Amino acid sequence: QKEVEQNSGPLSVPEGAIASLNCTYSDRGSQSFFWYRQYSGKSPELIMFIYSNGDKEDGRFTAQLNKASQYVSLLIRDSQPSDSATYLCAVAHTGGFKTIFGAGTRLFVKA
Amino acid sequence: DAGVTQSPTHLIKTRGQHVTLRCSPISGHKSVSWYQQVLGQGPQFIFQYYEKEERGRGNFPDRFSARQFPNYSSELNVNALLLGDSALYLCASKRVGHLFTDTQYFGPGTRLTVL
Repeated sequence: QKEVEQNSGPLSVPEGAIASLNCTYSDRGSQSFFWYRQYSGKSPELIMFIYSNGDKEDGRFTAQLNKASQYVSLLIRDSQPSDSATYLCAVAHTGGFKTIFGAGTRLFVKA
Repeated sequence: DAGVTQSPTHLIKTRGQHVTLRCSPISGHKSVSWYQQVLGQGPQFIFQYYEKEERGRGNFPDRFSARQFPNYSSELNVNALLLGDSALYLCASKRVGHLFTDTQYFGPGTRLTVL
């Protein structure tokens, strides 16, 4: 079992729709959860981080965390073609000295 | 403030050679982590350094080593290069106030090609 799992996609949504990206993790002691966006050939860019169960909203982005289910998600409202990228879920390892990334989900937003 | 910087941007080496990659963290950040990202995969954790000491190591062979300098910059060294070492090498820094909450920021990466 991988430590952080994501559906590799591609996930294709029309412009203006809601894109839903999911992530599960195996270490119950994980404390911090991050979503990064990575454009092709570029380095990851931090979008959101969440530490507590529930929802956290920032503009068009909402991160959701359910520690009991070991599940993290990212919702992108009013998706734009510029949102087309790979979205990486990352989980901070217990102790804080190691962050594990999922393989990423490719998102395509069709104009 | 400048972001994380890495050098060189691109590098081509041949099998068996060694390589040194460099990273300068964001000002005020004392922790540097190194990741390897091959095409189609997420970044794989190699090392984390904090206050010049190794604090974490991923599942990489001893050919990979790193160090952190007093100014918090860091070097990643890879010896006896293999074709499979071809990847994007990412450096990330974080401030480390609260270990579980500080977020890390990535540099632009070094693209290493081994022929």
